[in-house]
Amino acid sequence: AIQLTQSPSSLSASVGDRVTITCRASQGISSALAWYQQKPGKAPKLLIYDASSLESGVPSRFSGSGSGTDFTLTISSLQPEDFATYYCQQFNSYPTFGQGTKLEIK
Amino acid sequence: QVQLQESGPGLVKPSETLSLTCAVSGYSISSGYYWGWIRQPPGKGLEWIGSIYHSGSTYYNPSLKSRVTISVDTSKNQFSLKLSSVTAADTAVYYCARAYGSGRRFDYWGQGTLVTVSS
Repeated sequence: AIQLTQSPSSLSASVGDRVTITCRASQGISSALAWYQQKPGKAPKLLIYDASSLESGVPSRFSGSGSGTDFTLTISSLQPEDFATYYCQQFNSYPTFGQGTKLEIK
Repeated sequence: QVQLQESGPGLVKPSETLSLTCAVSGYSISSGYYWGWIRQPPGKGLEWIGSIYHSGSTYYNPSLKSRVTISVDTSKNQFSLKLSSVTAADTAVYYCARAYGSGRRFDYWGQGTLVTVSS
C-alpha cells in the first residue's frame, strides 16, 4: 500500500498567516492526490483534487501543487474558519489517507 | 444538491456483522459515479473501506476485503455496507461518499454515523 506522510502533524498559526502543509507519498502517484478539510464532528470537505485543481466553491486562498511523491497545500491568508484538520488522500491502486495535520490558532 | 445519509445500528456486538445503508438524494445512482464507504476511529485518521459502481462492480481495501460486502439498490437509490466478524477495532464513525473513479476523490459526503462494537 502507498503510504502518505503529512508534515507537520500539528501547526499553530495566526489569522492572516500563509501556511503550507506537506504530503509525501511512499512511491510516485503522478497527480492523483486530493486534500480535505475536516472540522470537529463534521465530515471531510474536498478542497483540492488532482493535486492542484480547486474544487468548486472552495475559496481561492487554498491552492495545491506537486506531482510524483511530494505535494503541498497552501493557504495564502488564514481565516478564522480555516482552523481545522487537513488530510491528503492518494489514489494509485486504492485510496489511502495521510495521518492529518491539525491547524490551531496561535 | 447531492445529499447522502447513513443509517443503521449504533451498537454492534463483537463477532457480529455491522450493517449500514446510505440513502442518496439529489442524484440518481444509476446515472454514474462510484459510491464509497470511509471510516474514522475516534480521534484517528480516515480509512477507505470500499467503493461500488451502479453496475455492481466493487473495489475493496485489501486489509478489509475478507470481511466486507458493499451492494447497491438502484431502485431505492441507496447502497449498503456489511462488515462481518467485528471487533472493538471496528468502532468508528462510518461515512458514505460519492467518488470519482473508484476513489480518486470523494466530493460529497454523508454526515457520518458512529458505530460502537461492544458487548
